[in-house]
Amino acid sequence: KAGVTQTPRYLIKTRGQQVTLSCSPISGHRSVSWYQQTPGQGLQFLFEYFSETQRNKGNFPGRFSGRQFSNSRSEMNVSTLELGDSALYLCASSSIGGGYEQYFGPGTRLTVT
Amino acid sequence: GESVGLHLPTLSVQEGDNSIINCAYSNSASDYFIWYKQESGKGPQFIIDIRSNMDKRQGQRVTVLLNKTVKHLSLQIAATQPGDSAVYFCAELTGNQFYFGTGTSLTVIP
Repeated sequence: KAGVTQTPRYLIKTRGQQVTLSCSPISGHRSVSWYQQTPGQGLQFLFEYFSETQRNKGNFPGRFSGRQFSNSRSEMNVSTLELGDSALYLCASSSIGGGYEQYFGPGTRLTVT
Repeated sequence: GESVGLHLPTLSVQEGDNSIINCAYSNSASDYFIWYKQESGKGPQFIIDIRSNMDKRQGQRVTVLLNKTVKHLSLQIAATQPGDSAVYFCAELTGNQFYFGTGTSLTVIP
């Protein structure tokens, strides 16, 4: 079975721009969760989608949004980028969701200049 | 050891020795815990989990110990190998959300 894939792997944007990141879960997994990882804050939960519905959400501003398609692929969008948004964005897929039995992708390294 | 939300400590061990990585969690209501391993350039990888109704769980070369009295979790790696070099972090489930520590960087000296 193919693992979780994320595209792009690296991205450089400037302040004020917006960005869209993509995640393809493991085949058959209906849950996709997104996380932000920074050296200072560690791994922080953004949101989880299950069968196209947002099931849970972390404490991030509304500039961070996501969606899930009928084939379980998910995208997250960050609008009006700030320098502090520079981070590794990870997605994880699961067959049961809720953070259980998650398989993480390699992440997208976003740098905001 | 690490605490959820604090700096990244480091641990160096000789190949073949046992490693112990610690994690202090904050919420006494947390009922499920996971240890992850993250190698450079990769996403976190599940190692082992434990529920709050247990105090010890063993896997292949790894053991997780849970002390609910002092809200402490530890990961023991037996016969540490160079391939074990990575960042290890714990996660606690509180309500319906996981909270993650920032991790401990383990370096194995050949």
